[in-house]
Amino acid sequence: ETGVTQTPRHLVMGMTNKKSLKCEQHLGHNAMYWYKQSAKKPLELMFVYSLEERVENNSVPSRFSPECPNSSHLFLHLHTLQPEDSALYLCASSQDFSARRNNEQFFGPGTRLTVL
Amino acid sequence: AQTVTQSQPEMSVQEAETVTLSCTYDTSENNYYLFWYKQPPSRQMILVIRQEAYKQQNATENRFSVNFQKAAKSFSLKISDSQLGDTAMYFCTIQGGSEKLVFGKGTKLTVNP
Repeated sequence: ETGVTQTPRHLVMGMTNKKSLKCEQHLGHNAMYWYKQSAKKPLELMFVYSLEERVENNSVPSRFSPECPNSSHLFLHLHTLQPEDSALYLCASSQDFSARRNNEQFFGPGTRLTVL
Repeated sequence: AQTVTQSQPEMSVQEAETVTLSCTYDTSENNYYLFWYKQPPSRQMILVIRQEAYKQQNATENRFSVNFQKAAKSFSLKISDSQLGDTAMYFCTIQGGSEKLVFGKGTKLTVNP
């Protein structure tokens, strides 16, 4: 719908598994974001990439490892997660990462992650 | 640090009626942007409306309008002629200074037939 796709849409994993979430944007944007959306909590910004360089890392545990191989793709590698990491993980993109102009963010549908 | 407060976790409105969602914020920035995003059930989050803090005129997008009170740091969203498709979570957000969006906890709006 909005040019940002995420796979898989649903993921169930054990605490010892290693998995990856994928995000792809078809909008020609230069900035990409990972958010965590938990029930009854505000969206939490996890990582920001601008022109493939990480510009923001909000004290996220090392069991979450982002990767941005190019401006269209963003990955979130997961390993040894905890049950409290179960949440909806949203990817977003924007034209650029700047406060000098209002930057509408375009969101993907999210990956619903359940950690057993 | 910037904060956003949405004091209404849930609201409901009858189809064709008008509803107002409240939002207050705090920021030390002079220039910032405010947004309302909508997240329908099982669908992607999309932008509803945006407001630039240095503009006094309230933003309007079809049935959606805002009441921006800069001195009071208030940014409410009014939805006129509510439709069933307006049922969604609505998030108030602020962007300024640190470039990233800060989200409120959201208001779950249900439009009843």
